[in-house]
Amino acid sequence: ETGVTQSPTHLIKTRGQQVTLRCSSQSGHNTVSWYQQALGQGPQFIFQYYREEENGRGNFPPRFSGLQFPNYSSELNVNALELDDSALYLCASSLGGADPKGTQYFGPGTRLTVL
Amino acid sequence: AQKITQTQPGMFVQEKEAVTLDCTYDTSDPSYGLFWYKQPSSGEMIFLIYQGSYDQQNATEGRYSLNFQKARKSANLVISASQLGDSAMYFCAMREGTQGGRRALTFGSGTRLQVQP
Repeated sequence: ETGVTQSPTHLIKTRGQQVTLRCSSQSGHNTVSWYQQALGQGPQFIFQYYREEENGRGNFPPRFSGLQFPNYSSELNVNALELDDSALYLCASSLGGADPKGTQYFGPGTRLTVL
Repeated sequence: AQKITQTQPGMFVQEKEAVTLDCTYDTSDPSYGLFWYKQPSSGEMIFLIYQGSYDQQNATEGRYSLNFQKARKSANLVISASQLGDSAMYFCAMREGTQGGRRALTFGSGTRLQVQP
């Protein structure tokens, strides 16, 4: 069983640029959630996709957007990058409504640095 | 108000001893789930243990157990027989409501555990 994978591992961008991060969910999982983890803090929920539809959103501006594809992989797009966007971006997959516990399994993360 | 509070920024424990990491939570939803994750320096969040709000018994997974005190709204993680590889950040997280995997997780600020030989 393949776990959650993310690409790229590291990324360096400059302020104002746009970035796309990618995530492949664990086999059989139809739900993907994205989190932002600033240095020294716990992860903060950005949004979640369930069967290709956005299923909830945290307190992040519209320049954070996403997609989920028919194979349940997902992208996180961030436009007009700001210095505060520098963080570890974590993707997590889960079984959606089929798992009453709601356990989310995380990928290794993408570390984004904005200069 | 903080939904998940972890009051210990850092903890030290001797190898082979037990350690308790504290977590308190705040919710008005009668249905919720509590999770503990381990985050080594590599960054990946590793799921350790789950406790549901309606579970009658404390959860256990190998050397990990969860001391669930519902009235106190606490969900402390107990690691028995600590190993050097247990050195990492530990996060407590909560999922509110039903529909399990279609709910976001709210995380605490974490506790850094260092196991000393």
